[in-house]
Amino acid sequence: GENVEQHPSTLSVQEGDSAVIKCTYSDSASNYFPWYKQELGKRPQLIIDIRSNVGEKKDQRIAVTLNKTAKHFSLHITETQPEDSAVYFCAAINSGNTPLVFGKGTRLSVIA
Amino acid sequence: NAGVTQTPKFHILKTGQSMTLQCAQDMNHGYLSWYRQDPGMGLRRIHYSVAAGITDKGEVPDGYNVSRSNTEDFPLRLESAAPSQTSVYFCASNDRTYNEQFFGPGTRLTVL
Repeated sequence: GENVEQHPSTLSVQEGDSAVIKCTYSDSASNYFPWYKQELGKRPQLIIDIRSNVGEKKDQRIAVTLNKTAKHFSLHITETQPEDSAVYFCAAINSGNTPLVFGKGTRLSVIA
Repeated sequence: NAGVTQTPKFHILKTGQSMTLQCAQDMNHGYLSWYRQDPGMGLRRIHYSVAAGITDKGEVPDGYNVSRSNTEDFPLRLESAAPSQTSVYFCASNDRTYNEQFFGPGTRLTVL
């Protein structure tokens, strides 16, 4: 089955700097790659996703890139703000009767 | 739409006691999953269901039972609680064709 590795487990950046979180997956048939943000004490919520027919997707300050050959995808946050501080989870799925597989999460701290 | 609801929000159990965590969704989603979240361990799937009457084990199913008698509800049963089951439990639903998972607010369970 699918296995998703996520790095780093913790990341601290200065406000205004960029943050990058990387994930690798094992199943070459996986075709959907979402990113979830979980603020302290809250539920995880989808912030951006990408499908395998696209190499990059942007939404304001966040972007996700996908390299299917290397089987890795990354989350990029530019101009970080204190409210970006949270735990971020990547996930992968081969659409069908299989569930999403999550990485173990990255705790991002943005220092003002 | 209320989305995904979970009850209770908090609960304290004694070792050996039983309880049922409730999960309900009103989005007509086919897929429902139960996760537990422990510090540093990310989101680990306990059980999932792709449709009413169909359930399957996730990564950490031992000590937990589920049933799915209809589309809306997916209760998680702890028959004999153990301190190792102290965790935050999330229920999540998604539609098969659009894979975003919607999480419930979570249940914080403590087993003494």
